[in-house]
Amino acid sequence: DTGVTQSPTHLIKTRGQQVTLRCSPISGHKSVSWYQQVLGQGPQFIFQYYEKEERGRGNFPDRFSARQFPNYSSELNVNALLLGDSALYLCASSLITANYGYTFGSGTRLTVV
Amino acid sequence: QQQVKQSPQSLIVQKGGISIINCAYENTAFDYFPWYQQFPGKGPALLIAIRPDVSEKKEGRFTISFNKSAKQFSLHIMDSQPGDSATYFCAASMKDNFNKFYFGSGTKLNVKP
Repeated sequence: DTGVTQSPTHLIKTRGQQVTLRCSPISGHKSVSWYQQVLGQGPQFIFQYYEKEERGRGNFPDRFSARQFPNYSSELNVNALLLGDSALYLCASSLITANYGYTFGSGTRLTVV
Repeated sequence: QQQVKQSPQSLIVQKGGISIINCAYENTAFDYFPWYQQFPGKGPALLIAIRPDVSEKKEGRFTISFNKSAKQFSLHIMDSQPGDSATYFCAASMKDNFNKFYFGSGTKLNVKP
């Protein structure tokens, strides 16, 4: 069991650019969720995907999008980056629903300059 | 609007003491209440969780107390150790989507040797 793997670990982008973050869930986990954690705050829910379909969306602008692949890995895309998008982006996986176990990755630290 | 309110923001406890972190919520649709521990540079890790039909749950040195009528729940860390120094987050989710967590703002715990 290698845990939830996220890449890259750190990233620096310029305002207006686009970024893609990647997540590989624990083997056998079919649900992947994305959270944004701004420094000093609790994580905020962005998306949840289960069996390649979007099952939940948080209060984020359309600049944020995601998808899940047949192997259950996932990508989070953010377009037209703003300084306020600087945060730790966390991916979490679970078998089906999080009340049976929700494991977070170590995150991708995105800095927008 | 913060759906889950957490206090205190920071806490200093002597080794061997009891650490107590409190959370409150308004939405009675919440049905699952986990606590997460986060070390710097890492993703949150599940400590212990409770459903609203139980008033208390204990796992080792960690205990959740749940007061459904007051819409409050708390984490007690008995015999606190320097290795417990981390940021703690309470969270809540609803039956219609257990994967959409609403996190509190976090409590930074420092256990002095």
